Amino acid sequence: AQTVTQSQPEMSVQEAETVTLSCTYDTSESNYYLFWYKQPPSRQMILVIRQEAYKQQNATENRFSVNFQKAAKSFSLKISDSQLGDTAMYFCAFLLQNNAGNMLTFGGGTRLMVKP
Amino acid sequence: ETGVTQTPRHLVMGMTNKKSLKCEQHLGHNAMYWYKQSAKKPLELMFVYNFKEQTENNSVPSRFSPECPNSSHLFLHLHTLQPEDSALYLCASSQDRLAGAGDTQYFGPGTRLTVL
Repeated sequence: AQTVTQSQPEMSVQEAETVTLSCTYDTSESNYYLFWYKQPPSRQMILVIRQEAYKQQNATENRFSVNFQKAAKSFSLKISDSQLGDTAMYFCAFLLQNNAGNMLTFGGGTRLMVKP
Repeated sequence: ETGVTQTPRHLVMGMTNKKSLKCEQHLGHNAMYWYKQSAKKPLELMFVYNFKEQTENNSVPSRFSPECPNSSHLFLHLHTLQPEDSALYLCASSQDRLAGAGDTQYFGPGTRLTVL
């Protein structure tokens, strides 16, 4: 079974600064996908960024980028130029590629507060 | 945020009641999912449907009964629930062209369920 660990239950950052959220996972598989999802207060969970394990290049989406270290089984999210709208719960998730289908395993989440 | 909708958004029920949660996706996807999000616990996958067929039941008690009449609709029928079943129930969908394609899951806003 796969496990996902987010070691920072809560974090805060000043507006316009940079923050990094940590995620580690445990698996014996080699083909998988990793995701960061954002869940704003009382709002829908949305995809922030995804990474295919077979790609060495780190994924980037505007102000969001990841540091994917496959050997270390680490998948951290960096948010640059933090904005007030980035305040949310952030979930790291692992998707195993197999014939059973697409089953996500989530970490416990990190609550990020962006301060003005 | 209209790709996956869920109704009702809030539900309060007694332990002897029978109620249903509804999910509808407007994305043309073939796979749909039910997740449970409890306070202080990671999101838990409950059920997976691919092309209307249930492919995963993650050891969910029988008081939760899913139904998927077509690829666009998913229901979760509830009966004789317990107070510990109070949680946010999230529906998601994905394209799932191939099992193991790593398709991104898109989430609905959730139904906040309170069992008295």
